Amino acid sequence: AQSVSQHNHHVILSEAASLELGCNYSYGGTVNLFWYVQYPGQHLQLLLKYFSGDPLVKGIKGFEAEFIKSKFSFNLRKPSVQWSDTAEYFCAVNLNSGGYQKVTFGIGTKLQVIP
Amino acid sequence: GAGVSQSPSNKVTEKGKDVELRCDPISGHTALYWYRQSLGQGLEFLIYFQGNSAPDKSGLPSDRFSAERTGGSVSTLTIQRTQQEDSAVYLCASSSHGTATYEQYFGPGTRLTVT
Repeated sequence: AQSVSQHNHHVILSEAASLELGCNYSYGGTVNLFWYVQYPGQHLQLLLKYFSGDPLVKGIKGFEAEFIKSKFSFNLRKPSVQWSDTAEYFCAVNLNSGGYQKVTFGIGTKLQVIP
Repeated sequence: GAGVSQSPSNKVTEKGKDVELRCDPISGHTALYWYRQSLGQGLEFLIYFQGNSAPDKSGLPSDRFSAERTGGSVSTLTIQRTQQEDSAVYLCASSSHGTATYEQYFGPGTRLTVT
């Protein structure tokens, strides 16, 4: 069964610090990869996604993620975080298998940015 | 257009009672998902509906949990004989198979408290 591991459950950073959140998945086939974000009091929403092509994908609010197939990783990065980035971040994966769209989520990483 | 809606937003019930949670997906979305979000547990997959196919129920934690989706639209998650460990936020999401982007749109969730 596919699984997703997020290594950091709680991260505290000062504003302007660089961010990298780790994500590894366990499936060896072709996958689609996602990062979702949940800001305090808001719905989960898509931050960025990878389907094919350039392994470095850009998302909203200056976030990016790099798909490294050999490492089964899809780490999320941002060069300089802001207080408004305080949120919970979820990595997710689904099998690229035609119409089957079941998505597996990681446990989430809570990011706290200190002004 | 309207997003995914869920009702009720909050539900407090006594242990042993049955509860029904409702999800209205985005119109035209063929895929519908239920997740459970508990403190420290991340986002736990419960069940996935895709068009007219048999649902993937592999995430339901016990036979007290069931879900149906009528007419390919509205879905109801039913928990029978609720237990305190069922307390969590229950999230519904939908996605459009037609666009093949697999991006999930989440509702605001139902916070269930079992006393």
